Parts: sequence; C-alpha cells; structure tokens
Amino acid sequence: DAGVIQSPRHEVTEMGQEVTLRCKPISGHDYLFWYRQTMMRGLELLIYFNNNVPIDDSGMPEDRFSAKMPNASFSTLKIQPSEPRDSAVYFCASSPTGYSNQPQHFGDGTRLSIL
Amino acid sequence: ELKVEQNPLFLSMQEGKNYTIYCNYSTTSDRLYWYRQDPGKSLESLFVLLSNGAVKQEGRLMASLDTKARLSTLHITAAVHDLSATYFCAVAENTGTASKLTFGTGTRLQVTL
Repeated sequence: DAGVIQSPRHEVTEMGQEVTLRCKPISGHDYLFWYRQTMMRGLELLIYFNNNVPIDDSGMPEDRFSAKMPNASFSTLKIQPSEPRDSAVYFCASSPTGYSNQPQHFGDGTRLSIL
Repeated sequence: ELKVEQNPLFLSMQEGKNYTIYCNYSTTSDRLYWYRQDPGKSLESLFVLLSNGAVKQEGRLMASLDTKARLSTLHITAAVHDLSATYFCAVAENTGTASKLTFGTGTRLQVTL
C-alpha cells in the first residue's frame, strides 16, 4: 500500500504569498493529522480530522493558517499570508482509528521556506 | 497540559556499547509511541506501548513503559552505526477521542566507530 503522500516536497516562496500544502492519507485511515517541526519548538500538532471533520484545531498558530479535508483522500493546509517564521517542515500523518494500537503513519513532509 | 521530556537530548556513543534513553511525561496516559527520524526524512514508527509493564523488542532496541512512574525507556544494546538517528517518544492524551500525541524533544543519537 502507498503511504501518506504529501506535496510539494519543497516550497520556497516570498513573504506575503499564499502557500498550500497537500496530503493524501493512507486509504482506509479515518484520522488525519497535520504537524509542524522546527528546531526551536520541535514537533507540534496543528490540527486533526476524523472522517473529514476537524476535531481539534487548538494548535493552529493563528488565523493565517487554515486546513480543510473535502474528502477522505485529500487534505490541505493553507497559509495566507505567509511569513518567514512559518518556515518549517510540515508533516501530515494518518491512522486507522483514533484510540488504537496503531501508530500514526507520517508522510515525507513539506520543507517550507518563506523568504 | 501534557508535557513530555526526553533525556538526554544528544547522545554520542561508541559501537558495541549499551545505553538508555528516557521519556518522562506529566499526566496519566496508557499509550506511548517511539519513532525514529533520519536527517531530512520522515518519522518511522518503532514501538507502540499500550499498558503498564509493556515491553517490546526489535533487534538492538527494546522499549518499556511504566505508567505509574510515567516513564518509558528505549534501551540500545551493542550499538551499531546504523542506529544513528533522532528518536522521539510520543504520549497519547486520554481524551477519549483520538490519539492526540504530544512529542518529546527528541534524542539525537550518534554512534561512532
């Protein structure tokens, strides 16, 4: 089976531009998670979905960040407008059930650089 | 708020030696995960620990969980260079809903000849 697929792998853009990150979870997984990884703050959970519905977005840093999951096989994380402090690696992860013995499976990440 | 602490943050060890990485967490949880991350790569699941006293082993790595002490350990036996990576523990909050994970700071392991 294919793993979690993220695109793009790398994104470099200028401050103020809109950035859209994409994620395709593993088929059959009904939980999807977005994380951000930085040297200063480590791995942080931004938001997670269950059956395409956002459950907890308390980790979303501010209104410039938004996430959607229009169907079971696709999610986006959008930053508008982007700022240099948003530079990080953004990971998407999925799991088959929430309260389970299955680990979350991570995608390869999107390395985002805001100039 | 759940806090997860790992130590050490950095570990340089010689091949063939043994060492333990510690993961302490601040609130009740009965599920803990260990992940490995190579530089510039994704996170790879190593172990899922689901109950007090759980012990899992894979090759030179062994993980254990003591929920009463709120402590998990990752023991490395006879380290080899291929084990060089960053290791994260992640603790699940007992929200009753999903596996909302809080990650530790990570332990960067460097195995030298």
